[in-house]
Amino acid sequence: GQQVMQIPQYQHVQEGEDFTTYCNSSTTLSNIQWYKQRPGGHPVFLIQLVKSGEVKKQKRLTFQFGEAKKNSSLHITATQTTDVGTYFCAGISNFGNEKLTFGTGTRLTIIP
Amino acid sequence: GAVVSQHPSWVICKSGTSVKIECRSLDFQATTMFWYRQFPKQSLMLMATSNEGSKATYEQGVEKDKFLINHASLTLSTLTVTSAHPEDSSFYICSASRGQWINSPLHFGNGTRLTVT
Repeated sequence: GQQVMQIPQYQHVQEGEDFTTYCNSSTTLSNIQWYKQRPGGHPVFLIQLVKSGEVKKQKRLTFQFGEAKKNSSLHITATQTTDVGTYFCAGISNFGNEKLTFGTGTRLTIIP
Repeated sequence: GAVVSQHPSWVICKSGTSVKIECRSLDFQATTMFWYRQFPKQSLMLMATSNEGSKATYEQGVEKDKFLINHASLTLSTLTVTSAHPEDSSFYICSASRGQWINSPLHFGNGTRLTVT
């Protein structure tokens, strides 16, 4: 079945440093969504990307969808303590299996 | 504010008892809701897709007789964990989408932390 992997699994960064998480799908995706889950909380939608090569920005966050629509990345510039949490990508396969599959997640911790 | 409400937030029950978890869409109608399970420090695993007025669709490996889903109205889906055992202890989260879910973001409830003793 469809698999969505994220690397790294964990990332510890000094406050102010940049952070990037990479998302790779075993199948081509029709779209990809990104969610953030704070410790003890529930996932909160961040953004959706649909087009091949699409890049979207939200303040310090930059999201990218690969040309082949099989990978995506989230980059955070100048991290802040409020960025702490686990970032999940989630994608829907192009191949008839209309299920939103969540990635393995990247847990970000910030060293003040 | 919250658009999906989940209740209870946490529950502790004895082994062998059943627990019902409610998921409500607050200001929109949801013909489809999703139930996820999340173990500590792991990803969200889809358990089943709840369809209003029809039977739920369960993912492979999820026992439909153990995890009963009822989607009786356009704003309410319930998950009942029957004859719960300690291995059922987990974080259960429901979600719903305002529009056609394939092209719309999912709104998640706050989750229910179930502990079976």
